[in-house]
Formats: sequence, structure tokens, C-alpha cells
Amino acid sequence: GNSVTQMEGPVTLSEEAFLTINCTYTATGYPSLFWYVQYPGEGLQLLLKATKADDKGSNKGFEATYRKETTSFHLEKGSVQVSDSAVYFCALSDKEWGSYIPTFGRGTSLIVHP
Amino acid sequence: EPEVTQTPSHQVTQMGQEVILRCVPISNHLYFYWYRQILGQKVEFLVSFYNNEISEKSEIFDDQFSVERPDGSNFTLKIRSTKLEDSAMYFCATNDIPDLHEQYFGPGTRLTVT
Repeated sequence: GNSVTQMEGPVTLSEEAFLTINCTYTATGYPSLFWYVQYPGEGLQLLLKATKADDKGSNKGFEATYRKETTSFHLEKGSVQVSDSAVYFCALSDKEWGSYIPTFGRGTSLIVHP
Repeated sequence: EPEVTQTPSHQVTQMGQEVILRCVPISNHLYFYWYRQILGQKVEFLVSFYNNEISEKSEIFDDQFSVERPDGSNFTLKIRSTKLEDSAMYFCATNDIPDLHEQYFGPGTRLTVT
């Protein structure tokens, strides 16, 4: 079956530091990959996505590249801000099997200090 | 920007009691979903709902669970007889065209079963 593994948190960084949150996946088909973000007290919001190999999703300074050879979709940002403090979820959906229901990872909490 | 809302934000109940969690979808959305996240674990799919019937459900969604859209606006999740292991964050999500557009998530209801 499908699964998503992401690095354990919390990740604690100082403002302007470089961020990487690792995500790897297992899928039976050819999935689309997503990063969702959950700010305190809010619902999950789609941050970025990629639908095929070597695609790069980007939004708000965050980037992730769909790496089929390593089955990875690591999230990166060059310079984090305090406002980026949130929980980040990696997810996949495998349309080949007719379902658009995303499979999520456990989430990684990011804490950015001034 | 339109958003999905959920009530209550926190529900405490005793084991064996019935609970109803409510969601108000974005007004033009027709596809509805419930997810749950047990503390420290993955976000798990429970059920999807379209055209007044269940489209898909996971093995978690057993006979203790039911969903309905009682009045054309609210989308509810009922747990008939709660168990301690039902304690979790429950997220509602909605969208208009599943294969094209992302799901929009509500802020969640934290259910605590004592």
C-alpha cells in the first residue's frame, strides 16, 4: 500500500536559517506529491505540489522536487521566518488507482526563533 | 477567502456517549471528507461523501461512525458510542472537483474521550 515517512520533529531553527524537512514515500502507482502546512489553530493548507517526476513545486519561498529515483519529496526553504512556525505534512495521492484521497505523513513541527 | 468551519473546537465526552462533530463546507463544494489524527500519529482518512452518499471509507470507519448532511449546509460525523481510542483531532475537508483541485481543510475538532 501507499505510505509516507517524514522526519520526526520538532525542528527548531533560528530566523534566516536554511530548512530541510525530509519526506520519502512508497506508492503502488505513480502518485502526485504534496506538502500541507498547518498554522496554530487553523486547518491544513496546501503549500505546494508536484504531479510528475522532476517537477518542482514552490510557494512562499518553499520548494520541493519530485525525485522518483529516490522516492523523495524533501521540503526546503533558504531563509525561514518566525511566521513559518507550523506543522508541515507530506502527502501523496495515487490517481492511478482511482482515489484522490491523500495519504499523509505524521507531520513535522517547525519552530523558528527570532 | 471562503473557509471550512468546524464546531465545536474541543469536545470532551465520556466513554460510551454519542458525539456529533459538525462541519460547514465552502458553499459551492460538493465533495466532503473526514479525517482524524490521533496525537503524534498520521492524519488518517475516514470517509468521503458526495451526492448524499458515502463514496469511499477506510477500515477505521466502522459501524460506530456515520455521516450525513442533514440540512444541506452542515456535514456531520457521528460516533455512536465513543471509546477511549476515539480521542483524536477530527478534520473536515471539502472540494469541488477532486481530480483537479485541492481539498480545503477545517481547523479541526479535538475530541477527548474520558
